[in-house]
Amino acid sequence: KNEVEQSPQNLTAQEGEFITINCSYSVGISALHWLQQHPGGGIVSLFMLSSGKKKHGRLIATINIQEKHSSLHITASHPRDSAVYICAVNFGNEKLTFGTGTRLTIIP
Amino acid sequence: DTGVSQNPRHKITKRGQNVTFRCDPISEHNRLYWYRQTLGQGPEFLTYFQNEAQLEKSRLLSDRFSAERPKGSFSTLEIQRTEQGDSAMYLCASSLNGVGTQYFGPGTRLLVL
Repeated sequence: KNEVEQSPQNLTAQEGEFITINCSYSVGISALHWLQQHPGGGIVSLFMLSSGKKKHGRLIATINIQEKHSSLHITASHPRDSAVYICAVNFGNEKLTFGTGTRLTIIP
Repeated sequence: DTGVSQNPRHKITKRGQNVTFRCDPISEHNRLYWYRQTLGQGPEFLTYFQNEAQLEKSRLLSDRFSAERPKGSFSTLEIQRTEQGDSAMYLCASSLNGVGTQYFGPGTRLLVL
């Protein structure tokens, strides 16, 4: 069965802390996506990766294909980073299979 | 280009009524996807189009659901005889040639009373 699991489900941290959100998947993939969803529902794509590491500003995404695992890191976290972060994968086709999301709250 | 748009943003309806949602993708994108998200869960795939052709439908899409993209541009998702279990956020996304990033619309939040 094609599955995507995320951890933790909820994460609360103080402003400035280094944040890590994890994603694991069951079988081989063609790509993995990290998405951000704010209250109200809009989803923004942060990264798409199939190997290695990508960085954008304070966000870093890594993937280990052999271990079927990806991490999203946020450095110097800020209250505006508070959102739900969702991992989604392409299991060899176009449609996305999503994790259940990680709700991140950054306290000032 | 203003991105993917969806209308309406919110819909409240009574059980048994029909509802229709519209999605306007990014203009040059030939792929259009519909997803459904219930509270506290990640989105789930419903169906997708390449131009006007509907290529795949999830088993989540019962016979009360129909989607079309008649001219390969905007798409509509209709739910007939709505049930309370249909209450969810309906998300639309588009991409260019099915490769790379999918761009999401703001969603239509449906509440069935």
